[in-house]
Amino acid sequence: DVKVTQSSRYLVKRTGEKVFLECVQDMDHENMFWYRQDPGLGLRLIYFSYDVKMKEKGDIPEGYSVSREKKERFSLILESASTNQTSMYLCASSSFESRGGKTQYFGPGTRLLVL
Amino acid sequence: GNSVTQMEGPVTLSEEAFLTINCTYTATGYPSLFWYVQYPGEGLQLLLKATKADDKGSNKGFEATYRKETTSFHLEKGSVQVSDSAVYFCALSETGGFKTIFGAGTRLFVKA
Repeated sequence: DVKVTQSSRYLVKRTGEKVFLECVQDMDHENMFWYRQDPGLGLRLIYFSYDVKMKEKGDIPEGYSVSREKKERFSLILESASTNQTSMYLCASSSFESRGGKTQYFGPGTRLLVL
Repeated sequence: GNSVTQMEGPVTLSEEAFLTINCTYTATGYPSLFWYVQYPGEGLQLLLKATKADDKGSNKGFEATYRKETTSFHLEKGSVQVSDSAVYFCALSETGGFKTIFGAGTRLFVKA
């Protein structure tokens, strides 16, 4: 059974803290993604990675960075957390194959509250 | 650029009612089309997909047909259950790209 896991389901942090969100997939997928989900705004892409050590900015990268040192792991870093980064964060992965469309597999999400 | 537009919710239905959630898209090339579902407190999971024009995706009684002439991929189910209450996302996978473009999501409530 395919699996994407995220390090925390719920997280509470203070403004200014450095926050690490970890994501691990066991499907040997090349592509990994970080989204944030906010009511009324759907899913917005923060960053994605198509290979180890490779990263690309998504639609809303400001205030975030990422790290992909191993194929199975993709980390999202909030350098200095702010209250407007309170959100649900979703990690996803997909394979590079083009046939059958690039189905994305999602983790359960991390609900982050920044106080 | 590529985009996905789906009907706003929430949609509230009684059990055994017919469901349609409209989805239209704008894309260059020949994208693959998807419906994802998000149950309360969970991440998204694939419900069904179609990779070329006139394909029909189906799963768990849900169906959607890839209509290139109307650039649509409407989700239908003949008889909904309370357990279908969730948020449904229409999405497209860009041709030759890495990204998936998601619609805003439609929340469905099914009453017993």
